[in-house]
Amino acid sequence: GAVVSQHPSRVICKSGTSVKIECRSLDFQATTMFWYRQFPKKSLMLMATSNEGSKATYEQGVEKDKFLINHASLTLSTLTVTSAHPEDSSFYICSASSVSWDLSYNEQFFGPGTRLTVL
Amino acid sequence: QKEVEQDPGPLSVPEGAIVSLNCTYSNSAFQYFMWYRQYSRKGPELLMYTYSSGNKEDGRFTAQVDKSSKYISLFIRDSQPSDSATYLCAMSRLYTDKLIFGTGTRLQVFP
Repeated sequence: GAVVSQHPSRVICKSGTSVKIECRSLDFQATTMFWYRQFPKKSLMLMATSNEGSKATYEQGVEKDKFLINHASLTLSTLTVTSAHPEDSSFYICSASSVSWDLSYNEQFFGPGTRLTVL
Repeated sequence: QKEVEQDPGPLSVPEGAIVSLNCTYSNSAFQYFMWYRQYSRKGPELLMYTYSSGNKEDGRFTAQVDKSSKYISLFIRDSQPSDSATYLCAMSRLYTDKLIFGTGTRLQVFP
């Protein structure tokens, strides 16, 4: 199956700093990538949808100036958490969309996630 | 009311048991229904997907969709300790990639 990687897998930073998380589709080209946030024992919350070469579409309540998303190529999207605060500590997961093997729908392949801890 | 409701569990069963996981939803526009498995500190992986109503079987896993009741299920036969994980249901409308997830049910299968 398609592979999506995320880097770093874990990051600890001081309050006020910015953190960049990379999401790559390793063996396929993804026109659309998604960024999710997951709190402990909670479901995935979609933050934004990212299309290559265009501005990301943010979900209601997600601050676009705080969570900067860049989708520079068909295999790379980045999420930058700017001026991070302890409440930004969470598990961030990306996914990349590709047409399923039977061409019936667009399947999302998820990365392994990045655990962010802001001190 | 949440668009997708899922009992968070935890659900604890002995090895070999049949497990039933369920989700209900409120939006009749959902057409694609998926089940994802997520191990601790990992990203979700797709187990099953179903388009519209009906059943789908893959090995020990069976997915059922009842659109009239807005109810989907995942059955796991002959459950194994390696099945211990969180199971998330997800749904989407036609012509959109956007997935709406349930909260996930934590399953533990003990030997």
